Amino acid sequence: DAGVTQSPTHLIKTRGQQVTLRCSPISGHKSVSWYQQVLGQGPQFIFQYYEKEERGRGNFPDRFSARQFPNYSSELNVNALLLGDSALYLCASSLGRDSEAFFGQGTRLTVV
Amino acid sequence: ELKVEQNPLFLSMQEGKNYTIYCNYSTTSDRLYWYRQDPGKSLESLFVLLSNGAVKQEGRLMASLDTKARLSTLHITAAVHDLSATYFCAVSQGIQGAQKLVFGQGTRLTINP
Repeated sequence: DAGVTQSPTHLIKTRGQQVTLRCSPISGHKSVSWYQQVLGQGPQFIFQYYEKEERGRGNFPDRFSARQFPNYSSELNVNALLLGDSALYLCASSLGRDSEAFFGQGTRLTVV
Repeated sequence: ELKVEQNPLFLSMQEGKNYTIYCNYSTTSDRLYWYRQDPGKSLESLFVLLSNGAVKQEGRLMASLDTKARLSTLHITAAVHDLSATYFCAVSQGIQGAQKLVFGQGTRLTINP
């Protein structure tokens, strides 16, 4: 069975641009969470989506938004990119809201 | 606000030695996770600890949980080079109907031949 898949794996954007990252959860998993990992730090929680609704949000500005589709895949959008948005963005899927999370391989975003 | 602290943050050790990584957290939680991360890679789940006194072992790694002390340990026995990686503990926290993981800063482990 396929694990959590994310695309693209690497991305370079310019300050001020917008970016969309994609995540496909493990089959049967209904919850998707997004995390940001800046180099040298632990991942930070951005969002959790469950049954296509936002269930929780971390301390991130409104430039960060996400949605979950009927097939439970998810997109993370970041507007007006800043240099500080450069990070590894991790998607995690789980069966339910409080089930064990399984992480994808991540998308490495570089903002120049 | 839940805070998770690991120590040490950097650890260099020789093959064959034993060592322990500590993870302290500030508020009660019903589960704690240990992950491994290789450079440029994602997080690999190592252990899920659900109750006080829980102990789990896999190969040369053993994790334990003391919920009263809000402390988890990851013990490495007779280290080998392949265990070189960054290790994170993460504590589950319920917020606004969601569950989020709060991660420690990570312990970068280097095992030298």
